[in-house]
Amino acid sequence: DAGVIQSPRHEVTEMGQEVTLRCKPISGHNSLFWYRQTMMRGLELLIYFNNNVPIDDSGMPEDRFSAKMPNASFSTLKIQPSEPRDSAVYFCASSPQNTGELFFGEGSRLTVL
Amino acid sequence: DAKTTQPNSMESNEEEPVHLPCNHSTISGTDYIHWYRQLPSQGPEYVIHGLTSNVNNRMASLAIAEDRKSSTLILHRATLRDAAVYYCIPGDKIIFGKGTRLHILP
Repeated sequence: DAGVIQSPRHEVTEMGQEVTLRCKPISGHNSLFWYRQTMMRGLELLIYFNNNVPIDDSGMPEDRFSAKMPNASFSTLKIQPSEPRDSAVYFCASSPQNTGELFFGEGSRLTVL
Repeated sequence: DAKTTQPNSMESNEEEPVHLPCNHSTISGTDYIHWYRQLPSQGPEYVIHGLTSNVNNRMASLAIAEDRKSSTLILHRATLRDAAVYYCIPGDKIIFGKGTRLHILP
């Protein structure tokens, strides 16, 4: 298995620009999660999906953030407009439904100047 | 979500066993206890989980107290590669706390 695939691995952008992070979960996994990690706040759960449906988005910081899962093999996390405080490593994870065992991607490191 | 208490950091010698404690006194009766770790510059990695009985897998063992208010992750023979932040996560939602940073001394 290829594991969870995230792109881009690194992105540097300027404040105000739109950022789109992409995730391909492991085939057959029913749940998908987006996390953000910073030195100050640690690992934060932003949103998770079950069977492509958003279940809990209470961790999404504000309206500038949106996430979609149009099908079982693809998800996006969009930030529009981006701000310097959005700089972080964003992780995507997937899991077989209701197992508690999450498989994480390698992360997308975002720097907003 | 149950609150957890873990030491900020621990040290161990290479090739010796390591016992990583976690207190989760507010855990509910049906919450599993999950352990994850994060190696430097990598995403978190699942280690083990359990409900009431002690659990073993190829990576580690999980010892759960009878009252389920605490648990201990046991690495039987630590290697340098086990240096990481270890997270104890009770509940059905994987919410990360601050974890324990484990240093392995050669």
